[in-house]
Amino acid sequence: EAQVTQNPRYLITVTGKKLTVTCSQNMNHEYMSWYRQDPGLGLRQIYYSMNVEVTDKGDVPEGYKVSRKEKRNFPLILESPSPNQTSLYFCASSSRGQGARQPQHFGDGTRLSIL
Amino acid sequence: DQQVKQNSPSLSVQEGRISILNCDYTNSMFDYFLWYKKYPAEGPTFLISISSIKDKNEDGRFTVFLNKSAKHLSLHIVPSQPGDSAVYFCAASEINQGGKLIFGQGTELSVKP
Repeated sequence: EAQVTQNPRYLITVTGKKLTVTCSQNMNHEYMSWYRQDPGLGLRQIYYSMNVEVTDKGDVPEGYKVSRKEKRNFPLILESPSPNQTSLYFCASSSRGQGARQPQHFGDGTRLSIL
Repeated sequence: DQQVKQNSPSLSVQEGRISILNCDYTNSMFDYFLWYKKYPAEGPTFLISISSIKDKNEDGRFTVFLNKSAKHLSLHIVPSQPGDSAVYFCAASEINQGGKLIFGQGTELSVKP
C-alpha cells in the first residue's frame, strides 16, 4: 500500500530536549515536504526537498532542520524545541515533476507538545 | 502576511445542495492552485487543481473556478453529501518555485442530512 509514515504520532516533551520526527515514503517519490498545522493559520510549509541531498526552506523554517540522505526518508529535527513549536506536523511526498504542484500524499500527522 | 486567504472558517450546507468554498490570494505570481480535503485525525488528501491558463476545472462533483483578475478561486461541490464534511484547504504555487506551497487557513464544511 502506498503510504507516508510518520513517527511518532504523538509526543509530549520538554523545552530544549532535541527530538526527531521521522518520515518515510514507499512510493519512490522525489519530492518530500514538512508542514505544520495551527488553528487559524492553516498549513504552513517548513522545509521541502526536491530530491536526495536537495533541501530548501519553506515559509516557517526557523527552529527546524531536515536532511535527505536517501530518497525514502525525510526526518524533521528540532534541535532545541520551544513551546511555540507545539503543533500538528505533516510530512508529504509527490512524484517527479513539479514538486508541490503535483498532488501530494500526506502522512497522518504527528502531534507534538513542547512543555 | 497571509498570501492565501480563506475568509470563511466554516460553512454549513444541506445535503444535495451546492457547497461553495472561496479562496483569495494576493501574489500575482501564483500560477497553480490546488484544493485539499482533510478529515479529523488524517492527513490532507488532494482533491482538484487548476492552472492559471484555465478558468475552470471539473472532476465529478467538484469544480474549481479561477478568476485571475480578482485573484479569487472557488470550489463548488454539487450535490453535497454528508461524507464531504471535512476541512478544505486551498493552496497556491508560484511559477519557478515548484517546491513551495502556500496554504490558506482552511474552511470547515458541514453537510447536514
